[in-house]
Amino acid sequence: GAVVSQHPSRVICKSGTSVKIECRSLDFQATTMFWYRQFPKQSLMLMATSNEGSKATYEQGVEKDKFLINHASLTLSTLTVTSAHPEDSSFYICSARVVAGANVLTFGAGSRLTVL
Amino acid sequence: QQQVKQSPQSLIVQKGGISIINCAYENTAFDYFPWYQQFPGKGPALLIAIRPDVSEKKEGRFSISFNKSAKQFSLHIMDSQPGDSATYFCAALGSYNTDKLIFGTGTRLQVFP
Repeated sequence: GAVVSQHPSRVICKSGTSVKIECRSLDFQATTMFWYRQFPKQSLMLMATSNEGSKATYEQGVEKDKFLINHASLTLSTLTVTSAHPEDSSFYICSARVVAGANVLTFGAGSRLTVL
Repeated sequence: QQQVKQSPQSLIVQKGGISIINCAYENTAFDYFPWYQQFPGKGPALLIAIRPDVSEKKEGRFSISFNKSAKQFSLHIMDSQPGDSATYFCAALGSYNTDKLIFGTGTRLQVFP
């Protein structure tokens, strides 16, 4: 089946540094990927929609200069948290449409970011 | 209008019992309603999904009942097992390729022996 791989699964960084999280579609091409953020015991909140070859579309309230998204190929999208602060500590999850235009989304295993 | 309301927030069920989680939506443009299961520290996994043209869908112990007029749908887990203990999210999606998957608030299910 379709697999979305995220790396790293866990990352700890110091406040003020930048962290990059990768999201790869392993056996299919994904023109669109989605980045979600999940705080403990809360639901998934959509941060942005990543489109291959074009700028990402950010949800209201999400700082695009802080959360940089790059979707340079049909199998890779990256989320960079710039100048991370403790309040950015969260679980970041990406997902991708298995088939363009279809409703089924496959999710990655998530990346736990802890900012000290 | 983009919200999906989910209840209960938490649910404790004895092994073998039936777990029922309810969701309600407002936006009539939604036409795909998946349920996701999430274990701690993992991403959500698609469990079962339904479209509004059917009132019920069953896959093994899991089923969805859908009430289009009431704009409500629910997940039923028959013969609940300890391994079903997880957080369950309902979600809704519109029919356009650019539409976004909107998640409910989640239900933490605990099934004890």
